Amino acid sequence: GDSVTQMEGPVTLSEEAFLTINCTYTATGYPSLFWYVQYPGEGLQLLLKATKADDKGSNKGFEATYRKETTSFHLEKGSVQVSDSAVYFCALSSFDGNEKLTFGTGTRLTIIP
Amino acid sequence: SAVISQKPSRDICQRGTSLTIQCQVDSQVTMMFWYRQQPGQSLTLIATANQGSEATYESGFVIDKFPISRPNLTFSTLTVSNMSPEDSSIYLCSVEDRRTYEQYFGPGTRLTVT
Repeated sequence: GDSVTQMEGPVTLSEEAFLTINCTYTATGYPSLFWYVQYPGEGLQLLLKATKADDKGSNKGFEATYRKETTSFHLEKGSVQVSDSAVYFCALSSFDGNEKLTFGTGTRLTIIP
Repeated sequence: SAVISQKPSRDICQRGTSLTIQCQVDSQVTMMFWYRQQPGQSLTLIATANQGSEATYESGFVIDKFPISRPNLTFSTLTVSNMSPEDSSIYLCSVEDRRTYEQYFGPGTRLTVT
C-alpha cells in the first residue's frame, strides 16, 4: 500500500538558517504530493503541492520538487523565521478511486531567534 | 478553498459514553473524510463519506465504533461510540476540491476520554 516516510524530528534551527525536511514515498501509479503545516494551536493547512513528476510546489518561501526517480518530495526553505515553527506533514494522494491522503509522521520544527 | 467548521471544538467525556462530532462546509462537496490524530502522532484516515452512500472505512475502523452520517452535500457527523481512554485524539474532517485535488481540513475536535 501507499506510504510516506518523513524525516524524524524534532528539528531545531537558528533564524535565517537553511531548512530541508526529507520526504520519500511509496505508491502505485502517479500520486499527487503535498506538504501540510500545523502551527501551534491551529488546524492543518495546505502549504504546497505537486501533481506530476518534476513539478515544483512553492508557497511562503517554501519549495518542494516532485522527484519520480528518487520517489522524493523534500521541503526546503532558504532562510527560516521564528514564525515557521510548526509541525510539517508530507502526504500523498493516489487516484485509485478513493482520493484519501496518506500522511507521514510529521516533523516538528522549532526556530530560535 | 472551502471553509469548514466543526462542533464541538473540544470535549471531555467519560468512558463508555458516545460523542457525535459535526462537520459543516460552506460549499457542496462530494467527498468528505474523517481523520484521527492521536497525541503526538500523524493523521490516520478513519473513513470516507460520500453523500447518498454508506461510508467506506479503513482497515482497523468499524462502523459500530465510528458510525458516520452524510445527509447532504455540506454536512457530516462522526460518532465515537462506547469511548475508552484510547479514543482520546483530535478528530478532523476534510473535504476535497475536485478541481485541484486539494484537501482542506476543519479545525478539529479535541476529545479527551477519562
